[in-house]
Amino acid sequence: DAKTTQPNSMESNEEEPVHLPCNHSTISGTDYIHWYRQLPSQGPEYVIHGLTSNVNNRMASLAIAEDRKSSTLILHRATLRDAAVYYCMYGRDDKIIFGKGTRLHILP
Amino acid sequence: SQTIHQWPATLVQPVGSPLSLECTVEGTSNPNLYWYRQAAGRGLQLLFYSIGIDQISSEVPQNLSASRPQDRQFILSSKKLLLSDSGFYLCAWSVGGRGGGYTFGAGTRLTVV
Repeated sequence: DAKTTQPNSMESNEEEPVHLPCNHSTISGTDYIHWYRQLPSQGPEYVIHGLTSNVNNRMASLAIAEDRKSSTLILHRATLRDAAVYYCMYGRDDKIIFGKGTRLHILP
Repeated sequence: SQTIHQWPATLVQPVGSPLSLECTVEGTSNPNLYWYRQAAGRGLQLLFYSIGIDQISSEVPQNLSASRPQDRQFILSSKKLLLSDSGFYLCAWSVGGRGGGYTFGAGTRLTVV
């Protein structure tokens, strides 16, 4: 299975940047790295994905290590609405296996 | 634009009763379709995925089955529910390929009593 490792939980102050790390040491050269987040009682929401180069969108930035064995999701200015479980994963054979994710707590 | 519909939103069923959850996708053709389950306080477990009509792979052997009678319709079923089938069931679709993103439905919260 496509396995990723993330911290169980993290805390950040509101309006400060947040860096969420993920290790994916078994990733292959053509697997994209995906990040999703899940608010309580909702389905996961797409955040960002990338292959090799760093990626930016309106929600976040994705920094991918040169060897692609790790990546970091960056929320530039956390708000209370960013409190969620963040999942890092990569797809293989047309399916994505979710890890346990990181529960992000935002402190007002 | 593409949309995914999943229903019902909540369901309470007695043990031993049958189950049918339906998921449909609009605005795309030949999507990959997925069923996930999330037990209370746990992560997402992939149950089934399908890359085409009548092409379904089961990830976890259990009391559930899936069918894809039409290109954009994915059904999760059970003949007899168990208490352990309770959870949050999510349908998702993607365009396939390793770069494709996934879009999830709103989910069905199933409580087996």
